[in-house]
Amino acid sequence: EADIYQTPRYLVIGTGKKITLECSQTMGHDKMYWYQQDPGMELHLIHYSYGVNSTEKGDLSSESTVSRIRTEHFPLTLESARPSHTSQYLCASSEEQGDWLDSPLHFGNGTRLTVT
Amino acid sequence: AQSVTQLDSHVSVSEGTPVLLRCNYSSSYSPSLFWYVQHPNKGLQLLLKYTSAATLVKGINGFEAEFKKSETSFHLTKPSAHMSDAAEYFCVVRGRDDKIIFGKGTRLHILP
Repeated sequence: EADIYQTPRYLVIGTGKKITLECSQTMGHDKMYWYQQDPGMELHLIHYSYGVNSTEKGDLSSESTVSRIRTEHFPLTLESARPSHTSQYLCASSEEQGDWLDSPLHFGNGTRLTVT
Repeated sequence: AQSVTQLDSHVSVSEGTPVLLRCNYSSSYSPSLFWYVQHPNKGLQLLLKYTSAATLVKGINGFEAEFKKSETSFHLTKPSAHMSDAAEYFCVVRGRDDKIIFGKGTRLHILP
């Protein structure tokens, strides 16, 4: 089973609210990622991190922000939620050291966000 | 640069019959290739990975995939489909530039 945890699993929130999606992993992985996925659709990388104090924007432009203060924790924040942010958000991690090329991504179960 | 193409957006098979999910890739150098499965309202679970060792890779739940460099393919197969196999399947390529590219997914339907 996954050693990467996302909370909440489901979130319904009104427009304009600030929200933080939590992601934690217990594997000591340096690399962490946030993906956005609409129902039945492909995954889009929105943020990634190579370690503490490292954050980068992904391929899909997003109004969200991330932080990486601790290795195990990679939260995603939306300062003002809008209906266009309605989606599923998936967090993942992978090894950085050694044979990183062979290292798969480990995914959490996702947060399904609905903004009304 | 690399890319990955899943040739079918939907595949339907009857329970007990073979499954074939097709994936083609392109890469400037030898990539690592992965197949993931996603059940409804869940994250992605690793089925198997190819990492330049054996070209025939066995994964979980009876799935396997064969890396064919000449055809730039990494098709996923299973001899006998089970109802619990109904899910979305993603083919993924990871290159030496550390880019991780996901295919658009193939939804597998299992008919009773």
